[in-house]
Amino acid sequence: GAVVSQHPSWVICKSGTSVKIECRSLDFQATTMFWYRQFPKQSLMLMATSNEGSKATYEQGVEKDKFLINHASLTLSTLTVTSAHPEDSSFYICSASGHYTGELFFGEGSRLTVL
Amino acid sequence: GENVEQHPSTLSVQEGDSAVIKCTYSDSASNYFPWYKQELGKRPQLIIDIRSNVGEKKDQRIAVTLNKTAKHFSLHITETQPEDSAVYFCAASIVGNQFYFGTGTSLTVIP
Repeated sequence: GAVVSQHPSWVICKSGTSVKIECRSLDFQATTMFWYRQFPKQSLMLMATSNEGSKATYEQGVEKDKFLINHASLTLSTLTVTSAHPEDSSFYICSASGHYTGELFFGEGSRLTVL
Repeated sequence: GENVEQHPSTLSVQEGDSAVIKCTYSDSASNYFPWYKQELGKRPQLIIDIRSNVGEKKDQRIAVTLNKTAKHFSLHITETQPEDSAVYFCAASIVGNQFYFGTGTSLTVIP
């Protein structure tokens, strides 16, 4: 299946700093990528849909200025958690779907811990 | 938007028994229904999927059934093994659009 790579897999930062997470589709072009957030023992919560060359579409309740998403190319989308606080600590997972098959492929996930 | 509900939230079965997880969805336009298995701290892995033009699909010990009229679909795992222990998520999607996930089922297979 298609490969989606996410980096970093683990990041620890101080409160108030910004953290960037990268999501790459390695062997296919992803015009659309999705960003999810997952708390321990909970489901995947869709945060936003990242569209190549245009603004991301955010789900209700997700702060656009807090979670900046950039999808500058067909293979790369980035999520920047700005001015991170401890409550932002979570597991963030990106994914991309095969446009014609509809299958969803996930990155490895990034565990963010804000001290 | 789409609303996906999943039951049960936890499930324990004896090794060799069957496990069934059920999901319902709200948007009749959804046409793709994958199931994912997620082990602790790892990415979800697609284990089986079904499209709206099919009522049932089977892959070895895993099967999925879909009832479009009732808007529900189910995952069936037969002859369960300890390595089947994980969290399972159902999802509903319109191909090319967002995926909406169920709340997950934590499956424990007791040796």
